[in-house]
Amino acid sequence: KQEVTQIPAALSVPEGENLVLNCSFTDSAIYNLQWFRQDPGKGLTSLLLIQSSQREQTSGRLNASLDKSSGRSTLYIAASQPGDSATYLCAVYSSGSARQLTFGSGTQLTVLP
Amino acid sequence: GAVVSQHPSRVICKSGTSVKIECRSLDFQATTMFWYRQFPKQSLMLMATSNEGSKATYEQGVEKDKFLINHASLTLSTLTVTSAHPEDSSFYICSVRGPGTVQLASYEQYFGPGTRLTVT
Repeated sequence: KQEVTQIPAALSVPEGENLVLNCSFTDSAIYNLQWFRQDPGKGLTSLLLIQSSQREQTSGRLNASLDKSSGRSTLYIAASQPGDSATYLCAVYSSGSARQLTFGSGTQLTVLP
Repeated sequence: GAVVSQHPSRVICKSGTSVKIECRSLDFQATTMFWYRQFPKQSLMLMATSNEGSKATYEQGVEKDKFLINHASLTLSTLTVTSAHPEDSSFYICSVRGPGTVQLASYEQYFGPGTRLTVT
């Protein structure tokens, strides 16, 4: 059974700092990996989706990398802003026909002004 | 991506009553819909998967008689929490997946904004 782990569980940084969020998964036979953002009491906002054949995806100040063989992904946030404060969730799509999505427990990020 | 709505966004009900949550896919045919539950400071846990016109498949530990799921059309799924108890208080999120188009891959899920259920 796929398990997704995110480290750290919580992170607090001063504004302007670059930071890295980590995600690891136990079964490397994934179809794709996706990073989401969740604001308190809200639903999920998709940030980046990396196909299993890709090594990274970029959107603005965000860069996500994928090392499928080692079961790891990182989300890099450049020049962090207070508006980046949220919980970041990593999720992997299984490679089976069901394409089931398994979530990590998230990293709660606080960017201090 | 697809646009998904949920109604209501918040609901408070008394213990022992039932409450229905709707999930609508506004702009594409959702052949598969998923219901997740999220407790405070925890991640999303899949409750059940439903394909349009078929009975839902529930994850282990989820009571199918308590959480009734109906996926009668390609745009609407409902989750009914029957005889709700305080421990059912949670954030319920639905997601949809379509058959796939040129623009939208067949595997990607699109999420609704969630429904906060509080049982008193």
